[in-house]
Amino acid sequence: QVQLQQSGLGLVKPSQTLSLTCAISGDSVSSYTTTWNWVRQSPSRGLEWLGRTYYRSKWYYDFAVSVKSRITINPDTSKNQFSLQLSSVTPEDTAVYYCTRGDVFDYWGQGTLVTVSS
Amino acid sequence: QLVLTQSPSASASLGASVRLTCTLSNEHSGYAIAWHQQQPEKGPRFLMKVNNDGSHTKGDGIPDRFSGSSSGTERYLTISSLQSEDEADYYCHTWGSGIRVFGGGTRLTVL
Repeated sequence: QVQLQQSGLGLVKPSQTLSLTCAISGDSVSSYTTTWNWVRQSPSRGLEWLGRTYYRSKWYYDFAVSVKSRITINPDTSKNQFSLQLSSVTPEDTAVYYCTRGDVFDYWGQGTLVTVSS
Repeated sequence: QLVLTQSPSASASLGASVRLTCTLSNEHSGYAIAWHQQQPEKGPRFLMKVNNDGSHTKGDGIPDRFSGSSSGTERYLTISSLQSEDEADYYCHTWGSGIRVFGGGTRLTVL
């Protein structure tokens, strides 16, 4: 059974960097057959895919246009996890953030409410 | 542009059946989609993948009451024998080269 366990701070000041981690059990971050994604949800924007990473002999990354200049996703094979960093946050980045697996998002983390406020 | 359209709301009676629709943009009629359920105050849960030929693959533990089908640009989620716990938001999403897109969701009320 795959499980995704999220961790990270729930309050970030404007202009700072949001950081979250997703620990994987029951699968591998370096699997050749799947991908690892970050998604967020807010009342104003609904569900929004942010980006993904996957390993096919080397690491690949895709990012949504809306956050492409501010997002970093890092896989960590030693801990079997992947992380999200979103820089220069504003109140519009306030949302519940989820990590998910694969093209179909068949497993979801528990969600982390991140509030951007001074 | 890859777009998914869902009706904002739907309702059906306890014990009845309901079919929710997710419509792909015209030029993307060959795309598969995935359905997710989000119960109040919970995160989304994967229900199933629906292919353009109507075949579907369900997630772990999803009851037989949930099924998927397809016609043209429309992808369907049918829930039979509605139960109170089926009252939730239902989202579809699809994926293309380097992008993933969500529909706006349908709020299902069980009367």
